[in-house]
Amino acid sequence: SQKIEQNSEALNIQEGKTATLTCNYTNYSPAYLQWYRQDPGRGPVFLLLIRENEKEKRKERLKVTFDTTLKQSLFHITASQPADSATYLCALAVGSARQLTFGSGTQLTVLP
Amino acid sequence: GAVVSQHPSRVICKSGTSVKIECRSLDFQATTMFWYRQFPKQSLMLMATSNEGSKATYEQGVEKDKFLINHASLTLSTLTVTSAHPEDSSFYICSARDPRGPGETQYFGPGTRLLVL
Repeated sequence: SQKIEQNSEALNIQEGKTATLTCNYTNYSPAYLQWYRQDPGRGPVFLLLIRENEKEKRKERLKVTFDTTLKQSLFHITASQPADSATYLCALAVGSARQLTFGSGTQLTVLP
Repeated sequence: GAVVSQHPSRVICKSGTSVKIECRSLDFQATTMFWYRQFPKQSLMLMATSNEGSKATYEQGVEKDKFLINHASLTLSTLTVTSAHPEDSSFYICSARDPRGPGETQYFGPGTRLLVL
C-alpha cells in the first residue's frame, strides 16, 4: 500500500539548534516533493519544492534533500527560533493532475 | 506569494442544513483548485479537484452528491456541504495553482471551520 510517514508526531529542540524532519514514502513515484508549514487553525503555507532530479534545495535557513533511492526527504531548519514552532507537512505530487498527498505532519517546538 | 481567500472562516449550522464555502484566488486566475478536509490532529485529505468550466473530480470515498463543487470562474470555486451532519464537522481548506509561477505550487486558503450541531 502507499504510505507517507513523517518521523515523529512531535519534535522539541533548543533555540539555535538545527531541526531535522524526515519524510519517508513507499509505493509512490512522485514527480516532486513539497514542504509546507501549518500553524494551528490556518491553511498550509508553501515553503520549498524539490524535484525528483534534484538532490538539495536551500532557502534562507531552510534546506531540503531528496533521495529517490531511499524514498526519503529531509527538511532542515538551521539556527532555529521559537517562531519556527509549527507543524511541518511533506507532500508528494502524484497523478496526472499532480494532486498533493500529504504526510501526517511533525509538530516542531523550538524552546527558548 | 499568491493569495487565496476563503469565506466564511467558521460556520456553525444545524444538522440537515446546507453550507456553502467560497474559495477565491485574489490576484491570479486559477484553472485548477483543490478541496481538502482536515480532522483534528490529522493531515489534509484531498476531497476533489475542481476545474474551471468542467465537473469536479472526486477522490475515492468522497460523495459527490453530498459535497457539491462549482468552479464557475477562474477566480472562484465553491464547496457546498449538503444536508450536513455532525460527522461532517471538520476544517475545510481549498488551494489553487498559480499559473504564473512554477505550475506545481499550490497556494492554500486560510480554511473554514465547520461545526454541525
